[in-house]
Amino acid sequence: GDSVTQMEGPVTLSEEAFLTINCTYTATGYPSLFWYVQYPGEGLQLLLKATKADDKGSNKGFEATYRKETTSFHLEKGSVQVSDSAVYFCALIDSSASKIIFGSGTRLSIRP
Amino acid sequence: NAGVMQNPRHLVRRRGQEARLRCSPMKGHSHVYWYRQLPEEGLKFMVYLQKENIIDESGMPKERFSAEFPKEGPSILRIQQVVRGDSAAYFCASSLDRNNEKLFFGSGTQLSVL
Repeated sequence: GDSVTQMEGPVTLSEEAFLTINCTYTATGYPSLFWYVQYPGEGLQLLLKATKADDKGSNKGFEATYRKETTSFHLEKGSVQVSDSAVYFCALIDSSASKIIFGSGTRLSIRP
Repeated sequence: NAGVMQNPRHLVRRRGQEARLRCSPMKGHSHVYWYRQLPEEGLKFMVYLQKENIIDESGMPKERFSAEFPKEGPSILRIQQVVRGDSAAYFCASSLDRNNEKLFFGSGTQLSVL
């Protein structure tokens, strides 16, 4: 079945460092891809999305490009802030389009 | 415009008791999804409901778990005879239609089974 694999955490960076969180997927067809963010004690929020190959989703300085050839959707940010500390989930809509499938999440901690 | 409301925020049960988790979707939303998050793991899909109908329950355990979304009132996730392994955060999400690219999540219910 469809699945998402993302790099394990935790990831700890200093403020203003460059961030990459890897995500690859297995799916039938060409699913829409997402990054969600979960701040402490809260539910998930959609961070960005891409619906077709070569699309780039972006929001709050984060970017991710839908790479069909490598089945990847890596999350990047050029300069992280302490407020970016959260758990990040890569996700896709499954082939039946009835549900979103999430990766295991990557916890990100940013040091001042 | 209130978001997705889940209650209680925290629920403590002893083994063998029943747990009822409630989810009120965003106003106007008729599609509800339940997910479970085990400690240090990702979200696992449990069930997708539309008003009065279960659309996809492929992630629901075969026994003890049930879900409903009645015509009036919140969606309920019910766990009978809870065991320690049921301890987890349970998240509800809603969408306006079947386009689940626009999901809105609640803050979750943390279930602890003693």
